[in-house]
Amino acid sequence: AQKITQTQPGMFVQEKEAVTLDCTYDTSDQSYGLFWYKQPSSGEMIFLIYQGSYDEQNATEGRYSLNFQKARKSANLVISASQLGDSAMYFCAMTPWGYQKVTFGIGTKLQVIP
Amino acid sequence: EAGVVQSPRYKIIEKKQPVAFWCNPISGHNTLYWYLQNLGQGPELLIRYENEEAVDDSQLPKDRFSAERLKGVDSTLKIQPAELGDSAVYLCASSLENTNTGELFFGEGSRLTVL
Repeated sequence: AQKITQTQPGMFVQEKEAVTLDCTYDTSDQSYGLFWYKQPSSGEMIFLIYQGSYDEQNATEGRYSLNFQKARKSANLVISASQLGDSAMYFCAMTPWGYQKVTFGIGTKLQVIP
Repeated sequence: EAGVVQSPRYKIIEKKQPVAFWCNPISGHNTLYWYLQNLGQGPELLIRYENEEAVDDSQLPKDRFSAERLKGVDSTLKIQPAELGDSAVYLCASSLENTNTGELFFGEGSRLTVL
């Protein structure tokens, strides 16, 4: 079984500042994938970034980076240079390797302040 | 390229009435998912299809929920009869078969309100 824990119900960040959204996970699988999705108020889930459990380097996609600490079972999302359009819900998720059964956390609501 | 299309976007019904949601995935995506998202929660998987076969429906409440994907393309999720607790957003997603990166492409969802 997989479990994702996001302990920050809401976060505020000043525009142009960096912000870290926390995510811890639990799984009995040896290989797995971790990722983050963004859900704006329109409702559509948007894929942001992926990290494989076997990857030694942290994943980066533009302003998004995933701070992966395998021993601590954490996969925090770092957004650099926040923009007003970053205001949304952010979901951490995971899936076992080779099997698409994605488990989501409950999300963190990020609000970017001008 | 067209994204995942869902309809209707919003539906309001009285309890005990039936309701159906439709999803057309991205062309070429063999895997289709239906997720349930309650207010303030993350999406929860209801059913996953590989082509026309339901390979994971363990979370689908089969007493009132049913789904089909007859030709391995579009899909319909039905609730009959609806209960007050079914009020939620029903999300459809698709992906390439056997992708390991977790990249699912979601539609905008169908928001159901049961009165």
